[in-house]
Amino acid sequence: DVKVTQSSRYLVKRTGEKVFLECVQDMDHENMFWYRQDPGLGLRLIYFSYDVKMKEKGDIPEGYSVSREKKERFSLILESASTNQTSMYLCASREPGTGGRETQYFGPGTRLLVL
Amino acid sequence: DAKTTQPTSMDCAEGRAANLPCNHSTISGNEYVYWYRQIHSQGPQYIIHGLKNNETNEMASLIITEDRKSSTLILPHATLRDTAVYYCIAYFGNEKLTFGTGTRLTIIP
Repeated sequence: DVKVTQSSRYLVKRTGEKVFLECVQDMDHENMFWYRQDPGLGLRLIYFSYDVKMKEKGDIPEGYSVSREKKERFSLILESASTNQTSMYLCASREPGTGGRETQYFGPGTRLLVL
Repeated sequence: DAKTTQPTSMDCAEGRAANLPCNHSTISGNEYVYWYRQIHSQGPQYIIHGLKNNETNEMASLIITEDRKSSTLILPHATLRDTAVYYCIAYFGNEKLTFGTGTRLTIIP
């Protein structure tokens, strides 16, 4: 079974703090993703990575950065947390393949509250 | 990815089969039908996917019509733990997954 873990289930941070969200997968997948999920807005892609040290912007990268130093670990960084970044953050890992056969597997999510 | 349409909510008695429909009338020939579910405050869980043929795994069965314009996810013996929002997606390996509003399935004791 694919296992994707996230460092925290719940986090409370203050405005302006630097926040690190960690994601680890154990299936040697090359592709990893960070989404945020908000009521009424669905899933929105923040950043993704095809391989170590590679990153690509998703639809809403502003205010975020990422780090992929090792294949199994993909970190999301909020440089200076703001209240509009209060959200559920979801990490996903995608198995290799072509066409529509590459399933994405999600972690349990981190619910971040910025005060 | 093609648009999908699902009922907003459904109820099912515990122990019975839950049949969740999905309409994807504009699906293209190379798009797969994927199903995920999300239990409250947890990450989405992959259930099953298929292209044309019916599929079954330890969690569910997926029945895709011959014209591929609709599909049904079947949970054969629903339990209270199956209460969740179920998402049907037409997907061709794009970078991002897009979930619609899904079907809120409630299993009734």
